[in-house]
Amino acid sequence: DIQMTQSPSSLSASVGERVTITCQASQDIKYYLNWYQQKAGKAPNLLIYDASNLETGVPSRFSGSGFGTDFIFTISSLQPEDIGTYYCQQNDNLPFTFGPGTKVEIK
Amino acid sequence: DVQLVESGGGWVQPGESLRLSCAASGFTFSSDWMTWVRQAPGKGLEWVANIKEDGSEKSYVDSVKGRFTISRDNAKNSLYLQMNSLRVEDTAVYYCARPWDSWGQGTLVTVSS
Repeated sequence: DIQMTQSPSSLSASVGERVTITCQASQDIKYYLNWYQQKAGKAPNLLIYDASNLETGVPSRFSGSGFGTDFIFTISSLQPEDIGTYYCQQNDNLPFTFGPGTKVEIK
Repeated sequence: DVQLVESGGGWVQPGESLRLSCAASGFTFSSDWMTWVRQAPGKGLEWVANIKEDGSEKSYVDSVKGRFTISRDNAKNSLYLQMNSLRVEDTAVYYCARPWDSWGQGTLVTVSS
């Protein structure tokens, strides 16, 4: 199984600050990497698919990059509504696996 | 708009069975793979199973193989998860999803004695 790691596990940043989350796969997953936001008590919401493609309706302050085993997710200017937990997920090989999540809070 | 509504969750004792359903609307259900993902209380996301458009291919995470069965009824626009021999560690919110852009609200399954 492909193991996904994320760092940091949590972060606290000010409104307007740039936030970066990294995700690493235990083997090459090409660009088959999704990023989700999950708010408390809600279902995950797809933000980025295929490593760098912004899902329809998602604000442009969210972005993703990477290929192979190393990926980066960025919020260019953190907003209060961005609090929640962010997960990466590989969908290259079964079983599809998720990273452990990064909890984002406002400082 | 795509809508996925899960039902069938509840409390059961270890070893018992439960069948989850997911009613789909707002898209051509028979044209899409479907999947189940679960989340234990306070934990991360875990992919459970998926099924091809016509039901001819199914895959499962190792921890549920032989106990869970994913199925679908395209005439009823419905996805199912039959869960047998439930264990305490199966306790979770179960989400159905159209990979990966549409998710239901989830249904809670609690396995406890």
